[in-house]
Amino acid sequence: AQSVTQLDSQVPVFEEAPVELRCNYSSSVSVYLFWYVQYPNQGLQLLLKYLSGSTLVESINGFEAEFNKSQTSFHLRKPSVHISDTAEYFCAVSNNNNDMRFGAGTRLTVKP
Amino acid sequence: DVKVTQSSRYLVKRTGEKVFLECVQDMDHENMFWYRQDPGLGLRLIYFSYDVKMKEKGDIPEGYSVSREKKERFSLILESASTNQTSMYLCASDNMPPTGKRGYTFGSGTRLTVV
Repeated sequence: AQSVTQLDSQVPVFEEAPVELRCNYSSSVSVYLFWYVQYPNQGLQLLLKYLSGSTLVESINGFEAEFNKSQTSFHLRKPSVHISDTAEYFCAVSNNNNDMRFGAGTRLTVKP
Repeated sequence: DVKVTQSSRYLVKRTGEKVFLECVQDMDHENMFWYRQDPGLGLRLIYFSYDVKMKEKGDIPEGYSVSREKKERFSLILESASTNQTSMYLCASDNMPPTGKRGYTFGSGTRLTVV
């Protein structure tokens, strides 16, 4: 069975500072990796995903994540955050057996 | 814009009541899922369905059942609501095959409080 660990439950950061949200996974087979974002009182939205190919994937709003197979990690980064990035972020892992597993979530709070 | 719609944003029910949570998707997706979301626990899979009238148990099916009579609708049923079922419930859908590769589309969630 596969699993996901998000190492930080809460990350407070000041506006325009860089941020990294950490995600590690375990799986015995090839995986697909995802980051979802949940704004207050909303469902989850897909932020970005890694399926294959280039290990660095980007979202349209400036986030990026790098798949590191040797460290089994898929950390999410943004070089300069905005107040509007305040949300909860979920890392997820899936495979061809449709076994999608979510991490416990990281609450990112961006302060002015 | 494609959507997964959950009929209620907030529900308050009494212990012992039978509760129906409805989810409808307009994307002609085969796969539909019900999760509950609790602080510190992330999302946990309750039930899922790959086709009409088909259902599979997820990780925490106890106290729940589901119904999928039509492709676009997947209902979660709490047979006898209890206070430990107070939670945020999220419905999601996905196309197949291959499942899990595109990422799920989620509804806005139903926050259920059982008193």
